[in-house]
Amino acid sequence: DSGVTQTPKHLITATGQRVTLRCSPRSGDLSVYWYQQSLDQGLQFLIQYYNGEERAKGNILERFSAQQFPDLHSELNLSSLELGDSALYFCASSVVEGKTEAFFGQGTRLTVV
Amino acid sequence: GENVEQHPSTLSVQEGDSAVIKCTYSDSASNYFPWYKQELGKRPQLIIDIRSNVGEKKDQRIAVTLNKTAKHFSLHITETQPEDSAVYFCAASMRSNTGKLIFGQGTTLQVKP
Repeated sequence: DSGVTQTPKHLITATGQRVTLRCSPRSGDLSVYWYQQSLDQGLQFLIQYYNGEERAKGNILERFSAQQFPDLHSELNLSSLELGDSALYFCASSVVEGKTEAFFGQGTRLTVV
Repeated sequence: GENVEQHPSTLSVQEGDSAVIKCTYSDSASNYFPWYKQELGKRPQLIIDIRSNVGEKKDQRIAVTLNKTAKHFSLHITETQPEDSAVYFCAASMRSNTGKLIFGQGTTLQVKP
């Protein structure tokens, strides 16, 4: 167990819908990262938050947004879902930025039908 | 741009043989290089990492080497075992020093008994 908790583990929804994925980082970790992993694909960086502030953005679609709350948990919001959004979404956390290892949660498997 | 190239995409070895996976990165300011192992449907798990002030690091059967001049780093697994079979990802932290990790495309390692 990495200490990073993601909910839900599985999510099935229809095209056009909106979903929210939740991530609780390890205790003490201030930095949260979101990654997307499509079938047989690598890990695509989406966005990073540090202590409540957005710090870095990757190839995140405009239909996607995220935030980190005062208690440091983070949510990734995906709207106007398309079939191609089906993927594993991972959250990772680290103590500080760029200097310590990142621990991954178990992921949320999103299926858009 | 921010890029990490990983080779080979698939690697098949006999049990007991060595396996080598290579990565090159684009950002000369990258200073942290972790390797993750991902089993099917599970979260990536850190197996070893190296920082830019070190040329080599070893942990039992696993070693990583870094050549900053050439901007490449490699994972070496000796005495491979069937349980080493998984997808391995290299990653590099990017210039922004936010800890954003850019991942390689992954290598599927198969260790045949």
